Amino acid sequence: AQSVTQPDIHITVSEGASLELRCNYSYGATPYLFWYVQSPGQGLQLLLKYFSGDTLVQGIKGFEAEFKRSQSSFNLRKPSVHWSDAAEYFCAFNQAGTALIFGKGTTLSVSS
Amino acid sequence: KAGVTQTPRYLIKTRGQQVTLSCSPISGHRSVSWYQQTPGQGLQFLFEYFSETQRNKGNFPGRFSGRQFSNSRSEMNVSTLELGDSALYLCASRGTSMNTEAFFGQGTRLTVV
Repeated sequence: AQSVTQPDIHITVSEGASLELRCNYSYGATPYLFWYVQSPGQGLQLLLKYFSGDTLVQGIKGFEAEFKRSQSSFNLRKPSVHWSDAAEYFCAFNQAGTALIFGKGTTLSVSS
Repeated sequence: KAGVTQTPRYLIKTRGQQVTLSCSPISGHRSVSWYQQTPGQGLQFLFEYFSETQRNKGNFPGRFSGRQFSNSRSEMNVSTLELGDSALYLCASRGTSMNTEAFFGQGTRLTVV
């Protein structure tokens, strides 16, 4: 079955420390991959996307993600976390013209 | 460029009632999708409309329906509300190309009492 796994439900990172959020997908081919962020009570904001080409993609707010076909992974990274990054992060994928399939999300807390 | 607009932002309804939610996509976007978000089930796809035609449908009962107008605005209707329908309903719009990302509105928080 097509699915997205975000193994970490909750992560706490110190402000200024680096961050990596994990995402694995299950799909028969290479899908389009996305990371979204959601602040409490808000909608989803697109951080970055991978459609094809360079496997390291840059997004907004200093985030980047690396697509690894052999591991079916699309992990999100940030070198230095800011308190304002505290939110819930969702990994998602789809194929052209199909609905997005989301992971369950990872809640990021930032400690001072 | 205005983003995706969902109205109303908050709604409280009683069991058995029906509700209609509205979504205005980004100007020029012809695809509108609806998702339900709950703490237990996460984000689940309801349906997608493209040029007034339902293109994809998720696994929800027939009480959940939608439509899209010629100006690409979309409405979602839920009839005979149940307590379990309490959720954040998110609308997303996509451009005309198949190879595009989805942009989400801020959602409508529906509470069924």
